[in-house]
Amino acid sequence: GIQVEQSPPDLILQEGANSTLRCNFSDSVNNLQWFHQNPWGQLINLFYIPSGTKQNGRLSATTVATERYSLLYISSSQTTDSGVYFCAALSGGYNKLIFGAGTRLAVHP
Amino acid sequence: DSGVTQTPKHLITATGQRVTLRCSPRSGDLSVYWYQQSLDQGLQFLIQYYNGEERAKGNILERFSAQQFPDLHSELNLSSLELGDSALYFCASSVEGTPLETQYFGPGTRLLVL
Repeated sequence: GIQVEQSPPDLILQEGANSTLRCNFSDSVNNLQWFHQNPWGQLINLFYIPSGTKQNGRLSATTVATERYSLLYISSSQTTDSGVYFCAALSGGYNKLIFGAGTRLAVHP
Repeated sequence: DSGVTQTPKHLITATGQRVTLRCSPRSGDLSVYWYQQSLDQGLQFLIQYYNGEERAKGNILERFSAQQFPDLHSELNLSSLELGDSALYFCASSVEGTPLETQYFGPGTRLLVL
């Protein structure tokens, strides 16, 4: 099945800094989603982005499907951005999302 | 708020017991998915239902079962609980249950088996 790898595993930022999180996947994808898991454990949908670029406020994401990677950009980071960021991909006719191990982000004031 | 609701938020029980987790999908969504997040296995797909029928199965133990009812809510039943079943259980929903849709996740049920 498809493999999903995320980097870096951990990231520490000062408030106001920018960051880029990467997700590599081993096969062509029908579905790729980014999530933010906040410190209370809730999984929040950020983007559905199997290809192309999307923006939502300070967050944007780009997926280059032909090269099998996706990037999540966080600009002007805030302490509320802290948590774990997951990318999840789905390949072929299957409906199960395969999650990466996540990037743990800590934003300090 | 994704529109997916899960109850209870927290559950503490003992080994050998049985529990039922409940999920209500977003209004209009016909498909429900269950995922388990544990410290050692990460986030893993368990099972998917579409309009009351099982559509896909993942790494779901035989001690676990699920169903989707005519009103489209779903229940995940966990029996003969073991310490290793302690995890966060998420329900997600989508409109048609196809690969080309966003799956929206609920807030999760945190299960602790003592």
